[in-house]
Amino acid sequence: DTGVSQDPRHKITKRGQNVTFRCDPISEHNRLYWYRQTLGQGPEFLTYFQNEAQLEKSRLLSDRFSAERPKGSFSTLEIQRTEQGDSAMYLCASSSLYAGSTGELFFGEGSRLTVL
Amino acid sequence: AQSVAQPEDQVNVAEGNPLTVKCTYSVSGNPYLFWYVQYPNRGLQFLLKYITGDNLVKGSYGFEAEFNKSQTSFHLKKPSALVSDSALYFCAVRRVMFSGGYNKLIFGAGTRLAVHP
Repeated sequence: DTGVSQDPRHKITKRGQNVTFRCDPISEHNRLYWYRQTLGQGPEFLTYFQNEAQLEKSRLLSDRFSAERPKGSFSTLEIQRTEQGDSAMYLCASSSLYAGSTGELFFGEGSRLTVL
Repeated sequence: AQSVAQPEDQVNVAEGNPLTVKCTYSVSGNPYLFWYVQYPNRGLQFLLKYITGDNLVKGSYGFEAEFNKSQTSFHLKKPSALVSDSALYFCAVRRVMFSGGYNKLIFGAGTRLAVHP
């Protein structure tokens, strides 16, 4: 499968625990995005990487959130000291230089987080 | 600032009938517009995009969308709905980040399409 893959697909955790999500983009894509989607809402932008550089972080990304893309390939999104309000679907997307020029993103299946 | 509005939370249509899912946008400059579909507990799948050219854009699964600059709309359409089209549909507009030379998509809140047999 050459699409965007995310792991885990589902994560249930207790409030205060740390969680980490992984995203493997389409192999030739140098642009990687994280979005968050809560129930009944559209995806909201969280952060963007071009290769290994994190070029933008949304104000939605509090200090408890950190994202990395150390070698410009896969990315991780870590949430520390989770809160119930963090419960959401975390979506990863990637794009190539050429598709990115028009804005088209390719999304993974998402990682659903439930904080009890 | 770029924004997208989807005025209908839900659209109901009988199988075989035409369907329309509405989207209006607000952008500075030329709009790049997109439709994505989301099935339950799944990610978003790209349907179609408008960049320039013909106002009627054809996409996946028999969907098409009509760009109307004067009405700032980009409505999604299909001549004959299928029960399997039932899903959540999102309209999005590209926001160009000149400082980094990249794009990001701004999404509407989504419209749930329910196609009844």
